[in-house]
Amino acid sequence: GIQVEQSPPDLILQEGANSTLRCNFSDSVNNLQWFHQNPWGQLINLFYIPSGTKQNGRLSATTVATERYSLLYISSSQTTDSGVYFCAGGGLYNFNKFYFGSGTKLNVKP
Amino acid sequence: ETGVTQTPRHLVMGMTNKKSLKCEQHLGHNAMYWYKQSAKKPLELMFVYNFKEQTENNSVPSRFSPECPNSSHLFLHLHTLQPEDSALYLCASSLHWTGEIRNYGYTFGSGTRLTVV
Repeated sequence: GIQVEQSPPDLILQEGANSTLRCNFSDSVNNLQWFHQNPWGQLINLFYIPSGTKQNGRLSATTVATERYSLLYISSSQTTDSGVYFCAGGGLYNFNKFYFGSGTKLNVKP
Repeated sequence: ETGVTQTPRHLVMGMTNKKSLKCEQHLGHNAMYWYKQSAKKPLELMFVYNFKEQTENNSVPSRFSPECPNSSHLFLHLHTLQPEDSALYLCASSLHWTGEIRNYGYTFGSGTRLTVV
């Protein structure tokens, strides 16, 4: 299967700071998604972004499919942004199956 | 509420018990999935169903038995589990890939936190 590497594994921010999370894939992906897992375990879909750039409020994401990576930008972080961020990608021949990274654990301090 | 509902939210069961997890979606999706999330491990895909037909079994032990009666409902039947099966079990749904440009992203349920004693 596809190997997904996320960095950094842990991140501590002061409220108001900006950050960039990265996701690298071992093979080409046609499907790519970013999720936020809250302390109760709920995985919230942030972006479905096989390519290009999308923005949603303080969050934005960019995927460069040809170079097999995606970035998630968090601006003006808030304590409610804390949790674990996962990226997941699906390959060329099995689009329905997503491979997940190990996540970036973010802690935003007030 | 995401549109994917999982019940129960929490489950404690003995190793000799039989229980079932339920997942229901009302998003018009036609693919459904079971994932397992253990502490300090990436999410592990267990089963994939497309149009209620199983298309993936990721070498899951037979003590986990999935059932998909239709595209909106998915069950995971559990029997004679081991303590190491304790984990968060997540259900997701999506559109089945057709080659058209559409949103094929997953929507997850809230999960069932399972403890095997």
